[in-house]
Amino acid sequence: NAGVTQTPKFRILKIGQSMTLQCTQDMNHNYMYWYRQDPGMGLKLIYYSVGAGITDKGEVPNGYNVSRSTTEDFPLRLELAAPSQTSVYFCASIAGGLEQYFGPGTRLTVT
Amino acid sequence: AQSVTQLDSQVPVFEEAPVELRCNYSSSVSVYLFWYVQYPNQGLQLLLKYLSGSTLVKGINGFEAEFNKSQTSFHLRKPSVHISDTAEYFCAAGGGGNKLTFGTGTQLKVEL
Repeated sequence: NAGVTQTPKFRILKIGQSMTLQCTQDMNHNYMYWYRQDPGMGLKLIYYSVGAGITDKGEVPNGYNVSRSTTEDFPLRLELAAPSQTSVYFCASIAGGLEQYFGPGTRLTVT
Repeated sequence: AQSVTQLDSQVPVFEEAPVELRCNYSSSVSVYLFWYVQYPNQGLQLLLKYLSGSTLVKGINGFEAEFNKSQTSFHLRKPSVHISDTAEYFCAAGGGGNKLTFGTGTQLKVEL
C-alpha cells in the first residue's frame, strides 16, 4: 500500500490564482481530512469527509472547497489564493483504531 | 469542545538523558489520546495511542505515555533519548465524530 499520497510537494502561487491540492489513499478508509499547519499553531482542520459524497467544514474552512466523488480521492481547492493561505497542508485518513494516517504534505507559498 | 495543551514549545535535552513532554486535555466525554512525531519536512507519524484499558501505553522508538484521568494528562516519556529523536511532537485528542484536536506541538532538541 502507498498509504496517503499528496501532490504537489511544493507550489508557489500568485495572489488571486487558484489551484487544487490532490490527496489519494489506497487503504479504503471512509474518513478523510485536510489540515493546515502553521508554525507554533499545531494542525487546524479545514474540511473532512465521512465517505464519498459527504463533506463537512472543520475549524478553518474559509477560502477552501472540497469534493469527495470516490472513496480514494479528496481534493482541496483554493479558488482565490491569499497570502494568509501560505502554509503546509496535510491530508489524512482514518483507520479502525481511530489513528489518522498522514500524507507527506504540500508546502504552499502565496506571494 | 475539546482542547489540548502542550505546555512546552521547546525542550532541549542531552543525549542519553530522560525526557518528558507534557500534554493536558480537556474533555467532558470519553477521550482517545494520541502522540504523533513529525521529522523535518515530513508528515506526522503515530507514536502511540490510548483508546481504553491499561493507562500505561508503549509506543515505537522506546516512547511511552501514561493516561491520567484525574489530572487530565497524557505525558510522553523516554528514559534515554537519542540524537535521532530530534523532532516535533504533537499530542492529539479525539472523541465522538472521529475528529482530532491537536496541541501546538513541542520541539524536542537532543544535543550531544
